[in-house]
Amino acid sequence: GENVEQHPSTLSVQEGDSAVIKCTYSDSASNYFPWYKQELGKRPQLIIDIRSNVGEKKDQRIAVTLNKTAKHFSLHITETQPEDSAVYFCAASIRQGGKLIFGQGTELSVKP
Amino acid sequence: DGGITQSPKYLFRKEGQNVTLSCEQNLNHDAMYWYRQDPGQGLRLIYYSQIVNDFQKGDIAEGYSVSREKKESFPLTVTSAQKNPTAFYLCASSSEAALTYEQYFGPGTRLTVT
Repeated sequence: GENVEQHPSTLSVQEGDSAVIKCTYSDSASNYFPWYKQELGKRPQLIIDIRSNVGEKKDQRIAVTLNKTAKHFSLHITETQPEDSAVYFCAASIRQGGKLIFGQGTELSVKP
Repeated sequence: DGGITQSPKYLFRKEGQNVTLSCEQNLNHDAMYWYRQDPGQGLRLIYYSQIVNDFQKGDIAEGYSVSREKKESFPLTVTSAQKNPTAFYLCASSSEAALTYEQYFGPGTRLTVT
């Protein structure tokens, strides 16, 4: 069945460094790849997404890259700040009612 | 807060009791979803509904039931058949008509069964 693997499960960086989180997906029909950020005790919120017809997308300090051939996509956060500390989830979707398959999550800790 | 509400925020039940979690949205979204979140396992899909009076099982539907009688509401019942019901439950919705597939999440209900 559909599966999304996410690595690493935890990531600790110094403030100002970059952070990279990687995901692989199993279903080649997947065409939508969102990233959600969940702060402690709060709901997940979309931070960036990419569709399969695009290889890279940037929004200020956040970027996502997609390699359809290898079936993997990555989240890049540059110039990390303590408020970036949270759990990040990747997900993949086939255009069938928008059902998302989530990765296991990465707990990012940015040390000041 | 995205127009999706879940109640209550915390819920405590005794083993063997059924319990219903509320999810309401005023975003006029067609699709609604229920996820279960456990530490280290991400979000797992329980049930989803693309339209009123229709719903499909997700990956972990056993021990759960849903209804979708109104577009705005998608309640989840955790039955006594669910072997490990203690978890954080998140409801979400999305618009079929939108150009994005973004799912908007509610604040969640933390269920504890003892």
